[in-house]
Amino acid sequence: RKEVEQDPGPFNVPEGATVAFNCTYSNSASQSFFWYRQDCRKEPKLLMSVYSSGNEDGRFTAQLNRASQYISLLIRDSKLSDSATYLCVVTEPNYGGSQGNLIFGKGTKLSVKP
Amino acid sequence: GAGVSQSPSNKVTEKGKDVELRCDPISGHTALYWYRQSLGQGLEFLIYFQGNSAPDKSGLPSDRFSAERTGGSVSTLTIQRTQQEDSAVYLCASSSGVETQYFGPGTRLLVL
Repeated sequence: RKEVEQDPGPFNVPEGATVAFNCTYSNSASQSFFWYRQDCRKEPKLLMSVYSSGNEDGRFTAQLNRASQYISLLIRDSKLSDSATYLCVVTEPNYGGSQGNLIFGKGTKLSVKP
Repeated sequence: GAGVSQSPSNKVTEKGKDVELRCDPISGHTALYWYRQSLGQGLEFLIYFQGNSAPDKSGLPSDRFSAERTGGSVSTLTIQRTQQEDSAVYLCASSSGVETQYFGPGTRLLVL
């Protein structure tokens, strides 16, 4: 099974800072890309999908570079509530009629301080 | 229900005992996934169901692990003869066939 690599952090930043997370994936045939957020002792929750053209949702911007097999997440004006682990997620190519499984990175921990 | 539910939320068992973990997916979701997350680690894929069939069992770590799904809904993950290294959070997710998966709160398993 191919890997999804992330810097584990932790990233310790002050409120209001801009922080960027990077992720690389090894399977060039991967089809879909996501960022999930996981709070301590909670389940992962979808933060946003990542599209080739780049996409933005409020303070969050995601970018995909297929040629470099690289995904990024930018958080602007960080809030205390942004403190969590951010998981980079890639789908395996569909096979045998299945929809393709999600391959999770180990996550990057963010801690936003007052 | 409104979301994916799992039971029990916590399970403490003795080494060598069998355990059953249950997952109730979101109503109407045809795809169901089991993952495992050990302390400080990423999510490890275990098994995937499409309807009642499991086209991908490749993630099951040993033959002590098995899972079934009946009626295209509830799934049970069974671990036989538990070992201490089985201690982890077991997460279930369901999907309607598009790619987004919705996770349940997990079952925290501790094998003593």
